[in-house]
This record gives sequence, structure tokens and C-alpha cells, in this order.
Amino acid sequence: AQKITQTQPGMFVQEKEAVTLDCTYDTSDPSYGLFWYKQPSSGEMIFLIYQGSYDQQNATEGRYSLNFQKARKSANLVISASQLGDSAMYFCAMRGTGANSKLTFGKGITLSVRP
Amino acid sequence: GAVVSQHPSWVICKSGTSVKIECRSLDFQATTMFWYRQFPKQSLMLMATSNEGSKATYEQGVEKDKFLINHASLTLSTLTVTSAHPEDSSFYICSAPTSGPRDEQFFGPGTRLTVL
Repeated sequence: AQKITQTQPGMFVQEKEAVTLDCTYDTSDPSYGLFWYKQPSSGEMIFLIYQGSYDQQNATEGRYSLNFQKARKSANLVISASQLGDSAMYFCAMRGTGANSKLTFGKGITLSVRP
Repeated sequence: GAVVSQHPSWVICKSGTSVKIECRSLDFQATTMFWYRQFPKQSLMLMATSNEGSKATYEQGVEKDKFLINHASLTLSTLTVTSAHPEDSSFYICSAPTSGPRDEQFFGPGTRLTVL
């Protein structure tokens, strides 16, 4: 079974500062993928970044980077230079092997960016 | 990226009626689609996996007769909430995976259901 844990309470960050959103996971699959999604108040799920379990380097996508520590089973999202539009709910998710494998989501973290 | 649409985006219905939600993959084929339910400020809960040409696979605790899923083609899956009650009011989201380096899932914009 796969499990994603997001335990931070609501997070606050000042505009233009960096923020780290924590995510730990547990799985017995040797191969897996880790995702971060952003969900603004409109409800749409926006893909942010992906990390494969065998990827040697930490993933980066613009202002988003993933601090992947496989031994510790953590996949923290780092958002640099926060913007007001970053205020949203953020979900960490894991997928097992295979394109049709289902995603397991964490409970999410609410991020609020202060001007 | 790939596009998944959902229709309607919101619906209000009376208790006891049935509501159909459509999920379409617009520019790719999806033999599998996933249906999620989300309550306010909570995570997405997987309800079922929709399989083209065969029966859906439901997660434990999800009533099959309550939430009917039909995956009639490679681009369309439908979720019908039968005899809806106020406790069925929720945000329903579908997703479809694509084959690629990330085997990424693309999500529809969601459907907000309110049952009066």
C-alpha cells in the first residue's frame, strides 16, 4: 500500500520569499513517481512537478523544485520567489508502476502568500 | 499538455433525481479514467477506476449502485449519481493518464454538485 503524509498546518509566506512544503511517503514498490499539484479556489488541479524514483537529480520546473531524499522517503516542494497567485492548496501524490496506476494523495497543505 | 474536459462544471438538483457527469479526453485516448470526490478543504478521494469496454473498479466503501460509471469509448467516461441526496453534494473530478516519461494524469476542471 502507498501512503502520503502532509502534516504541516496552513502555511504563510511573505511575497517574494521562498517556502518549503513537506511531503513524506511510504511504499513497497521499487519504482514509483511523485507529483505535486496546486489547487486554487477554482478547484482545478494544476500539475506542478514530477520526480521519478530512479531520477538521479532533483526535479525543477521554473520556480518549483523538488527536494527528493529517497532514503528519508521525503519529497518536499520548494517554491522560490512566492507570488500572490501561489496562494492555494497543494497536494503531494504518488503513483506506482504503470501508466494506469492510480494516484494516492496526501491531505494537502494550504499556502497563503502575504503581500 | 493533454486536455480533459468535464461537463457540467456545476449542477444543482433536487433530492431523488439522478445526475450525469461527463469526462472527456479531448486530444488523446484514455482506456482508463479515474473518478475522485472532494469535500471542502479535504483531499481527493478516489471513488473508482473507469475501464473502457469493461466494468469499473470501485474503491472500498463506494456504492456501485449509487455511483454508476460507464466508459463507452476511448475518450468518454460518465459518472451518474443516482437518486441523489444532500450528502452526495461534493466536488467530483475525473482524471485520465497518458503514456509518457511521467505517465502523468491530467485532470478535468471538476463538477460541483449541490443536491437540495
